Amino acid sequence: GENVEQHPSTLSVQEGDSAVIKCTYSDSASNYFPWYKQELGKGPQLIIDIRSNVGEKKDQRIAVTLNKTAKHFSLHITETQPEDSAVYFCAARGKGYNNNDMRFGAGTRLTVKP
Amino acid sequence: GAGVSQSPSNKVTEKGKDVELRCDPISGHTALYWYRQSLGQGLEFLIYFQGNSAPDKSGLPSDRFSAERTGGSVSTLTIQRTQQEDSAVYLCASSLAGYNQPQHFGDGTRLSIL
Repeated sequence: GENVEQHPSTLSVQEGDSAVIKCTYSDSASNYFPWYKQELGKGPQLIIDIRSNVGEKKDQRIAVTLNKTAKHFSLHITETQPEDSAVYFCAARGKGYNNNDMRFGAGTRLTVKP
Repeated sequence: GAGVSQSPSNKVTEKGKDVELRCDPISGHTALYWYRQSLGQGLEFLIYFQGNSAPDKSGLPSDRFSAERTGGSVSTLTIQRTQQEDSAVYLCASSLAGYNQPQHFGDGTRLSIL
């Protein structure tokens, strides 16, 4: 099955700087890669996703890049703000047809210092 | 519109007791997932329902765990004879059927076993 590794486990940046979180996956047939943001006491919220037919997707300050050859994908947050502080999870969907083949990374705790 | 609703938000119980956790998915979502999130950890898949198909129970950690989904909507996760290691946040998510549909999470039930 799919295996997803996420780095770093913690990340601290100054307000206004950029933050980058990286994930690698094992199944070359994986084709869907969502990113979730989880605030304290809340469930994970989808912030951006990318499918394997594109290499990059951007939504305002958030962007995701995908390198299928190297089997890794990254989340980029520019002009970080204190409200970006949260735990971020990447995920990858394996080659099975059902959506229950989604596997999550262990998470990155991002702290943005004002 | 209304998101995924979980109840109770917090549950404290004594070791050995049975607990029931409830999930109300987004209206129209035929797929429903249960995950377990231990403190500071990622998401551990438990069980998946899709329409009227037999559920995928491959993630359930022991036979003390069971789940059902009545009428294709509300789901309950039952843990019998709870143990201290069952303490965690139990998250429910739902999605539309079909390929690569994003999962939408509830805020979870924080379960504490004394």
